[in-house]
Amino acid sequence: DIQMTQSPSSLSASVGDRVTITCQASQDIDNCLNWYQQKPGKVPKLLIYDASNLEAGVPPRFSGSGSGTDFTFTINSLQSEDIATYYCQQCYDVPFAFGPGTKVHIK
Amino acid sequence: ELQLVESGGGLVQPGGSLRVSCIGSGFTFSNYAMSWVRQVPGKGLEWVSGISGPGATTYYADSVKGRFTISRDNSRNTLFLQMNSLRAEDTAVYYCAKDDISAAGFTRPDCWGQGSLVTVSS
Repeated sequence: DIQMTQSPSSLSASVGDRVTITCQASQDIDNCLNWYQQKPGKVPKLLIYDASNLEAGVPPRFSGSGSGTDFTFTINSLQSEDIATYYCQQCYDVPFAFGPGTKVHIK
Repeated sequence: ELQLVESGGGLVQPGGSLRVSCIGSGFTFSNYAMSWVRQVPGKGLEWVSGISGPGATTYYADSVKGRFTISRDNSRNTLFLQMNSLRAEDTAVYYCAKDDISAAGFTRPDCWGQGSLVTVSS
């Protein structure tokens, strides 16, 4: 099975900061990588699909990059409403594993 | 408007069975693959099972294989997850999610239900 790791597990940043989260797959998954945002008490929301494609309606301050085994998720200019846990997930092969999540706090 | 509404969660004893359902609206249900994802309260997300649009192809996580069965009734726009031999570690919120393709997978889940809590406890 493909294992997904994320770092950091949590971070604290100020409004306006650039935030970067990394995700690593245990084997090559091409660009089959999604990023989700889950706010407290809410349903997960797809932000990025196929590693770098922004889902419709998602603000352009969110972006993703990478392929193979190493991926990056970036929030340019962090906003207070971005407080959430962010998950990566591989869509390359069954089982479609999620990363453990990165909790983003406001400093 | 795309919408998924789950039902059927609740309290069940270890070893028992439960079926959760998910009704879709606002889209042609049979055209899209569907999946179940679960989340232990306060913990991370775990993909559980997926099914193709026509229902011919199904996939399962190893943790539920042989105990859970995913199915769908496209005439009723409804997805099911039959859960047997339930264990305490199956306690979680179960979400259904719609993909944007017909083939079974978890490629671009663009709509999620609100979740249904399943508690396995004596």
